Amino acid sequence: AQSVTQLGSHVSVSEGALVLLRCNYSSSVPPYLFWYVQYPNQGLQLLLKYTTGATLVKGINGFEAEFKKSETSFHLTKPSAHMSDAAEYFCAVSPPSGNTGKLIFGQGTTLQVKP
Amino acid sequence: SQTIHQWPATLVQPVGSPLSLECTVEGTSNPNLYWYRQAAGRGLQLLFYSVGIGQISSEVPQNLSASRPQDRQFILSSKKLLLSDSGFYLCAWSGGQGYNSPLHFGNGTRLTVT
Repeated sequence: AQSVTQLGSHVSVSEGALVLLRCNYSSSVPPYLFWYVQYPNQGLQLLLKYTTGATLVKGINGFEAEFKKSETSFHLTKPSAHMSDAAEYFCAVSPPSGNTGKLIFGQGTTLQVKP
Repeated sequence: SQTIHQWPATLVQPVGSPLSLECTVEGTSNPNLYWYRQAAGRGLQLLFYSVGIGQISSEVPQNLSASRPQDRQFILSSKKLLLSDSGFYLCAWSGGQGYNSPLHFGNGTRLTVT
């Protein structure tokens, strides 16, 4: 069965510092991978996704993630944090087959950005 | 463009009362539809998904049910709410390609059962 682990439920960085949010997955075959962001009392917004092809994926708001099959990881990074990046971030996986589109989400990481 | 509407935004209901949350999608046809629940401080739990009218799959046994009376309408219901039903309920849709189509979420309904 597939699963997703996000290391660290809370991450705090200073404004302008590097953001690194960790995500590891467990899957018998390489899955499709997603990162979502959730602002308070709102739904989730897609940041980026990896399906096939280039393993370094660029998303919105300056975020990017790299799929590393050997490490079963899909960590999210941003070179310089902005106050507006404070939110909760979810990593999710989808099996590369079937048509239901069901995603399995990690527990989420709350990003705090300090001035 | 596609949009998803979910209402109400907040709801406070007493234990034992019924529930009906509605979600509609515009701008697409035959979407896959989903209900997720997000409990305080926890991740998202998939409750139901639907690949077509009248087709509902339940992911976990619970006090809730779902229906899809129209192609772009998805309803979450309960006959008698429990305290444990409190949470943030999110409706989402994805394209017919399914597995590599991202989910698009509504803004959620915060349900408090008192």
